[in-house]
Amino acid sequence: AQSVTQLGSHVSVSEGALVLLRCNYSSSVPPYLFWYVQYPNQGLQLLLKYTSAATLVKGINGFEAEFKKSETSFHLTKPSAHMSDAAEYFCAVSDRRRRYNKLIFGAGTRLAVHP
Amino acid sequence: DGGITQSPKYLFRKEGQNVTLSCEQNLNHDAMYWYRQDPGQGLRLIYYSQIVNDFQKGDIAEGYSVSREKKESFPLTVTSAQKNPTAFYLCASSLPGTTGELFFGEGSRLTVL
Repeated sequence: AQSVTQLGSHVSVSEGALVLLRCNYSSSVPPYLFWYVQYPNQGLQLLLKYTSAATLVKGINGFEAEFKKSETSFHLTKPSAHMSDAAEYFCAVSDRRRRYNKLIFGAGTRLAVHP
Repeated sequence: DGGITQSPKYLFRKEGQNVTLSCEQNLNHDAMYWYRQDPGQGLRLIYYSQIVNDFQKGDIAEGYSVSREKKESFPLTVTSAQKNPTAFYLCASSLPGTTGELFFGEGSRLTVL
């Protein structure tokens, strides 16, 4: 079975500071890993995905994530936070062997950015 | 523009009433999904469909029903048997055999009064 744990339901940073959102996964098979962002009362938008090519994945809006198999982690980072980054972020895992992917989501981390 | 359209955006219903949420996609995706979102619990899978006229239960299917008569459409009915239906419902779709990311609609917020 697969699962995702996001450490910290709320993270608060100052504008211009480093953003670090933590995600650890559990999977008995090689996974696909994803980060999604959700703004209030909207759907989820894909930020980036890991598909077994490069372990450092770059996404939209200046975000990136590094796949570390030894640590079973896929943490999301951004060097400098912007006010517009305030949103909820979800890490997700799926089984790459399956033809149709059911994503398993973490509980989410709400990011607040203050001036 | 291609995408997923969910309607209505907001819906109120009285206890004991069934309600149907619409999900339409023009992405030509084979697979469609319904997730339920509650604060602090992430997204939980209700039902999914990989092909027309076929669908499977997800993790929390009790009190819900779906149909898949057309490739473009995957409506979700929240029945009176669902004990705690107030939530944000998200529809998604994906292509088979790809890296598997889901494309999401804007969601429907259901409130039971």
